[in-house]
Amino acid sequence: SQQGEEDPQALSIQEGENATMNCSYKTSINNLQWYRQNSGRGLVHLILIRSNEREKHSGRLRVTLDTSKKSSSLLITASRAADTASYFCYTQGGSEKLVFGKGTKLTVNP
Amino acid sequence: DAGITQSPRHKVTETGTPVTLRCHQTENHRYMYWYRQDPGHGLRLIHYSYGVKDTDKGEVSDGYSVSRSKTEDFLLTLESATSSQTSVYFCAISPGTVNYGYTFGSGTRLTVV
Repeated sequence: SQQGEEDPQALSIQEGENATMNCSYKTSINNLQWYRQNSGRGLVHLILIRSNEREKHSGRLRVTLDTSKKSSSLLITASRAADTASYFCYTQGGSEKLVFGKGTKLTVNP
Repeated sequence: DAGITQSPRHKVTETGTPVTLRCHQTENHRYMYWYRQDPGHGLRLIHYSYGVKDTDKGEVSDGYSVSRSKTEDFLLTLESATSSQTSVYFCAISPGTVNYGYTFGSGTRLTVV
């Protein structure tokens, strides 16, 4: 099993600003995934980036992957209050077991 | 969440009693997982299943057992509930193990008193 570590642990921004959070991991991966969790709810899959990809977009989300540095970043552009949530990365290697980090708690202030 | 439901959503039980949580999916996915989420610990894998009657342990499996007699149902049993098992429990499903995202249920909030 593998584990991604998110950074920072907490992030507070104003509506309309961009939010960037990072994930670092330790071993080789097949892909890296980002999830969002709103308070009191289950995790929602946002985006999956494969190890041979460097950047991927989905709406206001941009994910980059640098396998040489074993790191990824999630950028949320033009943030909204509804983006307030915890964000988790998950790295998938050769095991089917899921291991998540503790997440980045994002607060977007109106 | 579409395709996956957990029951009950909330439960309060007494120490020492057995408790069973249910995860039901309509996606016909092969893989099913049980997680617990606690402040300061993130999500931790309890057990998972890779097919009917095929299960394996995760990192925090002590005190828990699982069963999967049908593709659509994955049961988590706390054999004798303890206060340390007070947590939010999430079920997740996936069609495969590589390059697939996971779909999570809405969770079961369990309180052991």
